[in-house]
Amino acid sequence: RKEVEQDPGPFNVPEGATVAFNCTYSNSASQSFFWYRQDCRKEPKLLMSVYSSGNEDGRFTAQLNRASQYISLLIRDSKLSDSATYLCVVDNNAGNMLTFGGGTRLMVKP
Amino acid sequence: EPEVTQTPSHQVTQMGQEVILRCVPISNHLYFYWYRQILGQKVEFLVSFYNNEISEKSEIFDDQFSVERPDGSNFTLKIRSTKLEDSAMYFCASSPLAGQGEKLFFGSGTQLSVL
Repeated sequence: RKEVEQDPGPFNVPEGATVAFNCTYSNSASQSFFWYRQDCRKEPKLLMSVYSSGNEDGRFTAQLNRASQYISLLIRDSKLSDSATYLCVVDNNAGNMLTFGGGTRLMVKP
Repeated sequence: EPEVTQTPSHQVTQMGQEVILRCVPISNHLYFYWYRQILGQKVEFLVSFYNNEISEKSEIFDDQFSVERPDGSNFTLKIRSTKLEDSAMYFCASSPLAGQGEKLFFGSGTQLSVL
């Protein structure tokens, strides 16, 4: 079983749509969780951390379900500039090592 | 905004040659990392480095790989005898402390092509 698993997509959505991505992780001892964004052939950039209570940053909402080992990202009112690959990332070892999912590709169309 | 810088942006080498990838982490950061991403695949952890020694390494980081902080600013990844399968984007990252995933910054990467 993959350590961090994501649907690779692509998700093709029109501008203004709401889209949700899911991620599952295998290590129940995982400590911290993140969503990163990666544009084509660029470095990953932190989008937001994911907390057990759920957290929101503008149009982005992240949720964590530790019991199900499941993380989600909701993007509301999609913009063309949201087109990218979204990486689910898990920290298993107090920040010394991040484990990345394979990413979910989002394409927002006009 | 401070940033992690990597040089060169592209490196082409012949199989069996040694390569050194260079990184300048953010100046007040204490933890340094190398990750790699083979084209079309996920980002993979290679090694973390703190206080002039390796703190964690993955199975990928075998005897062909080494890291060094030769001076106060540079952090290097050496691949002793490159293989075709070493072709990938190599990302350096740094953070001020361990467990600081929110403060982990990646460089823009070095694309290594082994021919």
